[in-house]
Amino acid sequence: GAVVSQHPSWVICKSGTSVKIECRSLDFQATTMFWYRQFPKQSLMLMATSNEGSKATYEQGVEKDKFLINHASLTLSTLTVTSAHPEDSSFYICSARDYPTYGYTFGSGTRLTVV
Amino acid sequence: TQLLEQSPQFLSIQEGENLTVYCNSSSVFSSLQWYRQEPGEGPVLLVTVVTGGEVKKLKRLTFQFGDARKDSSLHITAAQPGDTGLYLCAATSGTYKYIFGTGTRLKVLA
Repeated sequence: GAVVSQHPSWVICKSGTSVKIECRSLDFQATTMFWYRQFPKQSLMLMATSNEGSKATYEQGVEKDKFLINHASLTLSTLTVTSAHPEDSSFYICSARDYPTYGYTFGSGTRLTVV
Repeated sequence: TQLLEQSPQFLSIQEGENLTVYCNSSSVFSSLQWYRQEPGEGPVLLVTVVTGGEVKKLKRLTFQFGDARKDSSLHITAAQPGDTGLYLCAATSGTYKYIFGTGTRLKVLA
């Protein structure tokens, strides 16, 4: 079945630094990828939707300049958290929409801790 | 505004009991998915419902899609500790957004 690989699985960084999270579709082409943020014991909140080769569409309240999303190929999307602060600490999950079945496959998530 | 509201938010029951989780919306969806998520992992797809009134069974789990395709329910029979987790409904909003419900955290006590 479709597999999405997300790396790193966890990262600790200092305040003010940037962190890049990668999301790769291993055996299918992902025309659309989604990035979610999840706080402890809460549901997944959609941050942005990215389509290959075009700019990401951000949800209301998500800072475009802080959460940079790049979807340069049909198999790779990246989320860069710039100038990270402790309040950015969270669990980030990506999802890829499979082409041509249009099913959704999720990465295993990245636990970001900013100290 | 959360388009998919789940209830209850939390549920703690004894092993062997039955339970039902609801996912409600004012929007109509072409399909709806249910997931279960363990701590520190991505959500795992349980089922997709497509047709209004559809009922699907997965062992002790029964899923139903409302006739109007605005709501869904998940019923677990004879719950076991292994059923513990966060249950999420999800659907496509508009033409491209894939959103999740507010979530139901289930704990089954042995």
